[in-house]
Amino acid sequence: KAGVTQTPRYLIKTRGQQVTLSCSPISGHRSVSWYQQTPGQGLQFLFEYFSETQRNKGNFPGRFSGRQFSNSRSEMNVSTLELGDSALYLCASSSTSSGANVLTFGAGSRLTVL
Amino acid sequence: GESVGLHLPTLSVQEGDNSIINCAYSNSASDYFIWYKQESGKGPQFIIDIRSNMDKRQGQRVTVLLNKTVKHLSLQIAATQPGDSAVYFCAENPPTGANSKLTFGKGITLSVRP
Repeated sequence: KAGVTQTPRYLIKTRGQQVTLSCSPISGHRSVSWYQQTPGQGLQFLFEYFSETQRNKGNFPGRFSGRQFSNSRSEMNVSTLELGDSALYLCASSSTSSGANVLTFGAGSRLTVL
Repeated sequence: GESVGLHLPTLSVQEGDNSIINCAYSNSASDYFIWYKQESGKGPQFIIDIRSNMDKRQGQRVTVLLNKTVKHLSLQIAATQPGDSAVYFCAENPPTGANSKLTFGKGITLSVRP
């Protein structure tokens, strides 16, 4: 079955702009979580959505937001971009939000802020 | 390809040798641990997991060891192959009830010499 699909794979923005990233989870997976990956901070949890509701949130400013649609597809948005937002944004899906589960990651969206 | 492993510690091993990748985790209450592998240009890929009530788990060519006394996790790869070259991350699932909110280690680059 198809894996987690993220679009776009690469994008370049300038400071102050906003960006929307998209994630299509594995079919049947209802939980979608987002991570930011940078060389300095590594992988950091942004938020998780389950059945269109944000269930968990990491320690990121309010400029970072997300949503999930009824088909489990998710988007994340970053407003008023800063240079430090340059990162690889990873989406992961899993089949349940309770009990141990395996996160399956997409290839990521590489954002460069100039 | 992308480099998400800048400034990460590197383990260099000879093809065919066994590799041991170590990780110190932070939360003594974490109840679930996972190893991920990330190749250039890809998202993290699940390798193996272990629950806190176990101290060893084996998979195909991989073994994970958990030492809760010193909060240490290790990944052993038998007969290391060139395809094992990647960045390896350990992750822990703190007991927050949020199974998608993983805390990742900084990562270790495994380089396999032919």
